[in-house]
Amino acid sequence: NAGVTQTPKFQVLKTGQSMTLQCAQDMNHEYMSWYRQDPGMGLRLIHYSVGAGITDQGEVPNGYNVSRSTTEDFPLRLLSAAPSQTSVYFCASSLGGKETQYFGPGTRLLVL
Amino acid sequence: AQSVTQPDIHITVSEGASLELRCNYSYGATPYLFWYVQSPGQGLQLLLKYFSGDTLVQGIKGFEAEFKRSQSSFNLRKPSVHWSDAAEYFCAVGPRNTGFQKLVFGTGTRLLVSP
Repeated sequence: NAGVTQTPKFQVLKTGQSMTLQCAQDMNHEYMSWYRQDPGMGLRLIHYSVGAGITDQGEVPNGYNVSRSTTEDFPLRLLSAAPSQTSVYFCASSLGGKETQYFGPGTRLLVL
Repeated sequence: AQSVTQPDIHITVSEGASLELRCNYSYGATPYLFWYVQSPGQGLQLLLKYFSGDTLVQGIKGFEAEFKRSQSSFNLRKPSVHWSDAAEYFCAVGPRNTGFQKLVFGTGTRLLVSP
């Protein structure tokens, strides 16, 4: 199993540009989440999904959209990037709501 | 609101010495408690977790943590640190009435291991 994979590893955007961060898992996990990690702060939950077709907001959802059309994939969309979205983004998945979360290697995003 | 405090931003430990990383939480009831480790350029890996029962929890890589309800603490320990333990460590809490998607993380403690 590849586990949780994220693409791209690095990305530089200009303010106002849009992009999609990809996340995929091959463990047949129902739960998937997106976090951002900023210096001096712990991980903060952006959006999460408890199954295909079901998503919900986390602590910091503004400026981000998600959808979950398949069990395997959970893309995160930035519709109009802002410098405040410069961060490292982690995707995680788990078999159930109270099971261990497995994290991807992260995507480092710089918005100029 | 729930919060997690990791008071030490950096800790330096000599290889072979013992380690204790502190974690205090503020929560209305006893939450689920976790320690994660993040090696440079990697995602987070779960070290151990506490749900209920024995307050001393064993984890992977020789780590253990002790839950102390009276002190709202969940400190991570290791009796003998190896150079490969150099990483960032995060304490996290999760509410018992929802899933782990709503974990609240501390700001992390970076562990440096000196030879």
